[in-house]
Amino acid sequence: GNSVTQMEGPVTLSEEAFLTINCTYTATGYPSLFWYVQYPGEGLQLLLKATKADDKGSNKGFEATYRKETTSFHLEKGSVQVSDSAVYFCALSDRSGRRALTFGSGTRLQVQP
Amino acid sequence: NAGVTQTPKFQVLKTGQSMTLQCAQDMNHNSMYWYRQDPGMGLRLIYYSASEGTTDKGEVPNGYNVSRLNKREFSLRLESAAPSQTSVYFCASSEDVGSNYGYTFGSGTRLTVV
Repeated sequence: GNSVTQMEGPVTLSEEAFLTINCTYTATGYPSLFWYVQYPGEGLQLLLKATKADDKGSNKGFEATYRKETTSFHLEKGSVQVSDSAVYFCALSDRSGRRALTFGSGTRLQVQP
Repeated sequence: NAGVTQTPKFQVLKTGQSMTLQCAQDMNHNSMYWYRQDPGMGLRLIYYSASEGTTDKGEVPNGYNVSRLNKREFSLRLESAAPSQTSVYFCASSEDVGSNYGYTFGSGTRLTVV
């Protein structure tokens, strides 16, 4: 079946540091890939997505590239801010259209001033 | 504001009590979902409804029932609550199950079973 593996957190960084959160997946075919963000006390919000190999999704300074050869979709940001503190979830969508989104376990990011 | 609305936001139940979590979306989406979120386990799918009139089990359906009342509403029922059902419950919707536009989530219901 489909699965998503994320690096365990929490990830603690100082403001303006470089961020990488690793995400790898297992799926049949070529799924669509997503990053969601959850701020404290809120629901999940779509951060970015990529629907085919080599696509780069980007939003709010965050980027992730769909790497078919390594089955990865790592999230990066060049300079994090305190306001980026949240839990980040990697997810995949099965192209069969018969299965709902599969989520990773989430990675908590804490950015210190 | 357009989106997914969940009620209630918080609930405390005693073991054995029943309750229904309500969810409504106003985006004319075909598909709706119920997930639970537990520490260290991410989101796990309980049930989903690919379209009005259909429902399917997800990864953790035991102890739950759902009703797709119409295209807008998808409710989750706990018939006899257990402490293991203490969790945060999220409803979501999308154009269809395999949508490349992703899912829109509600703000969640925090349920405690004592």
